[in-house]
Amino acid sequence: DQQVKQNSPSLSVQEGRISILNCDYTNSMFDYFLWYKKYPAEGPTFLISISSIKDKNEDGRFTVFLNKSAKHLSLHIVPSQPGDSAVYFCAASGIQGGSEKLVFGKGTKLTVNP
Amino acid sequence: DTAVSQTPKYLVTQMGNDKSIKCEQNLGHDTMYWYKQDSKKFLKIMFSYNNKELIINETVPNRFSPKSPDKAHLNLHINSLELGDSAVYFCASSTGLGTSKQYFGPGTRLTVT
Repeated sequence: DQQVKQNSPSLSVQEGRISILNCDYTNSMFDYFLWYKKYPAEGPTFLISISSIKDKNEDGRFTVFLNKSAKHLSLHIVPSQPGDSAVYFCAASGIQGGSEKLVFGKGTKLTVNP
Repeated sequence: DTAVSQTPKYLVTQMGNDKSIKCEQNLGHDTMYWYKQDSKKFLKIMFSYNNKELIINETVPNRFSPKSPDKAHLNLHINSLELGDSAVYFCASSTGLGTSKQYFGPGTRLTVT
């Protein structure tokens, strides 16, 4: 039962263009969302997050949009750079049954071509 | 200066053996985690400790036992290793749960033959 889904296993974009990575979740109890970036042979690194009280959060070239009614979030990278090539994980957290839950998606591999 | 370190980076062992993976963080964080990334690339939380106390314990075989001697360390012991335990194991730490960003270690690739 995948509570956090990243349906595109891979995405390829041209340098300078926009990269849009999508994430869907199924459980309404999630109220905080994070994106992590992972290079090969390294651990994931935090990129950006958003609380469910917001619908947008921006940090430099990275913007996360949240559509609570659709249970959907997306990460926009503008402009995309070759160094952005990595696997991007979406994660969702919330309280369920009195305990914290944190669930990661399967990841989307982004390739930015020079 | 490595923030979250894990040893070993690679571990190859035979079925039935018992092994440990060590994790240390020098960030002064209160919360530490163990994750498993299997062949299907899912990153799943296994355990979480806050101030040396277990706070998240997902459905994990009891062959896996975390041990936190102090706030800066969270070691993972695995008994009677099975083929299905082959995966990359990541340690992470954060200032708190859920809403706090986590700092991950480089991972330990465990191969059980």
